[in-house]
Amino acid sequence: GAVVSQHPSWVICKSGTSVKIECRSLDFQATTMFWYRQFPKQSLMLMATSNEGSKATYEQGVEKDKFLINHASLTLSTLTVTSAHPEDSSFYICSARGELAGVIVYNEQFFGPGTRLTVL
Amino acid sequence: AQTVTQSQPEMSVQEAETVTLSCTYDTSESNYYLFWYKQPPSRQMILVIRQEAYKQQNATENRFSVNFQKAAKSFSLKISDSQLGDTAMYFCAFTYDKVIFGPGTSLSVIP
Repeated sequence: GAVVSQHPSWVICKSGTSVKIECRSLDFQATTMFWYRQFPKQSLMLMATSNEGSKATYEQGVEKDKFLINHASLTLSTLTVTSAHPEDSSFYICSARGELAGVIVYNEQFFGPGTRLTVL
Repeated sequence: AQTVTQSQPEMSVQEAETVTLSCTYDTSESNYYLFWYKQPPSRQMILVIRQEAYKQQNATENRFSVNFQKAAKSFSLKISDSQLGDTAMYFCAFTYDKVIFGPGTSLSVIP
């Protein structure tokens, strides 16, 4: 099946620094990638949707200048948390939706294993 | 706007018994997909079962089956012969373009 990786799996940083999280589709072309944020014992909240080669679409309430998303290729999307603060500490999950024979497959997204961010 | 509701924050079931998790959703779309995802303590999201809205037949995957009532906008998950490994958070999700998740149900399987 389709595999999505995330790197790093966990990161600790100081307040005010920036952190980059990578999301890669390993065996398929991901035309669309999604970034989620999950607080303990809560559901996944969609932060933004990124399409390869286009600017990301952010959900209401998500600061686009703070959470920079780049989807430069069909296998890589990055999320950069700029000037991180303790309240940005969370579990960040990416997912990818692929293309089969030129048709976007809507019936499944493939999830990465997540990245735990702790801001001190 | 699409919304997904799961009215049972926590549930428990005895090993080998059957449990049903509830999910309702709201949408004005007519063609969409519904999913149940499992999130074990590792936090890796695992697809349990999917249902296409235009298909009337309920989806089944081994011990997992759904009861899809399109008119009522209801999509419940039945787990038969519950196993200890089924202990996890279960999220109902809806997708038309992007995926919208419900708040989740924490399921504990008791030995």
